[in-house]
Amino acid sequence: LAKTTQPISMDSYEGQEVNITCSHNNIATNDYITWYQQFPSQGPRFIIQGYKTKVTNEVASLFIPADRKSSTLSLPRVSLSDTAVYYCLVGDGWTGGGADGLTFGKGTHLIIQP
Amino acid sequence: DVKVTQSSRYLVKRTGEKVFLECVQDMDHENMFWYRQDPGLGLRLIYFSYDVKMKEKGDIPEGYSVSREKKERFSLILESASTNQTSMYLCASRTNLAGATPEQFFGPGTRLTVL
Repeated sequence: LAKTTQPISMDSYEGQEVNITCSHNNIATNDYITWYQQFPSQGPRFIIQGYKTKVTNEVASLFIPADRKSSTLSLPRVSLSDTAVYYCLVGDGWTGGGADGLTFGKGTHLIIQP
Repeated sequence: DVKVTQSSRYLVKRTGEKVFLECVQDMDHENMFWYRQDPGLGLRLIYFSYDVKMKEKGDIPEGYSVSREKKERFSLILESASTNQTSMYLCASRTNLAGATPEQFFGPGTRLTVL
């Protein structure tokens, strides 16, 4: 079961680009990297998923180096509404025998200031 | 849009009571999950189900059981509620179709207080 390590918290300001890095040294060949966002009093919401190199959608970008031992979630031009907890998960997501890819951990509490 | 609903947003029970938390999803998802979330501990997986009548223990199954008699419904049962089960409970579902993004869709959560 791949384990992830993220910073407990981060601060930034409106309009800045924010990068949150997740370490996953034991990532397996079949594992994907998935990020979720959670606002207070709500369930987490899927942001982005990737396997290697770079993935971009309308919300964020995900950068994964060649060795895949870490990944960086990039949020462009953040606003106050991006204040949330961000979780990095690693796993193949489809395994039928275990909770692989279902470990959310403590996440990174991102605080955006005016 | 996928919709995952949970039977109650807030629930107050007494120690020793049997508690049922219900979760229903409307997108014919095969997989369903129960998590609990506590300050400083993040989300922890209690149980999950790959399909009807199938269940697997997560990281913290002690004190809980589950039931999945129909595909759309996944119930979490606290046989004898204790104060250390006071928490936010989150249900989620996802498809198991090959090629689909395996994102989990979460319900709004049930905040359970055991007195």
